[in-house]
Amino acid sequence: DQQVKQNSPSLSVQEGRISILNCDYTNSMFDYFLWYKKYPAEGPTFLISISSIKDKNEDGRFTVFLNKSAKHLSLHIVPSQPGDSAVYFCAASDRRDDKIIFGKGTRLHILP
Amino acid sequence: GAGVSQSPRYKVAKRGQDVALRCDPISGHVSLFWYQQALGQGPEFLTYFQNEAQLDKSGLPSDRFFAERPEGSVSTLKIQRTQQEDSAVYLCASTHLSGGNTGELFFGEGSRLTVL
Repeated sequence: DQQVKQNSPSLSVQEGRISILNCDYTNSMFDYFLWYKKYPAEGPTFLISISSIKDKNEDGRFTVFLNKSAKHLSLHIVPSQPGDSAVYFCAASDRRDDKIIFGKGTRLHILP
Repeated sequence: GAGVSQSPRYKVAKRGQDVALRCDPISGHVSLFWYQQALGQGPEFLTYFQNEAQLDKSGLPSDRFFAERPEGSVSTLKIQRTQQEDSAVYLCASTHLSGGNTGELFFGEGSRLTVL
């Protein structure tokens, strides 16, 4: 029973274009959402987060959008760069709980 | 060191052996988490410590898994009588916050366990 779903295992995007990674969740009690980036043989690193009281959060080239009614969030990367090639994990938490729940990840390939 | 340090980075065990995985969190971080990441999957929560107290162990898959953090700093994840399904990367993460649900976790590089 996956509470955080990333339905696209992989995504290829041309360098300079926009990358859009999608994530759906099932638990309506989730109120904090995060994106992590992972390179091979390294641990995940925090990228950006959003609280459920907002619908958008922007940090440089990265923007996360939250649609609570659809239980959907997305990560936009503009413009995409070669160093963005990595696995991206969507994660969510319920403030009453202490743990973060991760999706299975989407592997992003930035093509030259 | 500046980051979360895990050892060993790689461990090969024969089925039935006991293994111990160590995590050195960032100095001063209150909360420490263990996650298990199987091949092609996302990290799955195992257990959570706030200082030396183990507040949540709901993710431990069986009683063969045991974790401790006796002095509120270094933590050890022990797996007894390893099975092939235990093969995974074990990730440790820490945060200065109480609980992981309001801020970013800082992850170590993981310990890759292969059970033959």
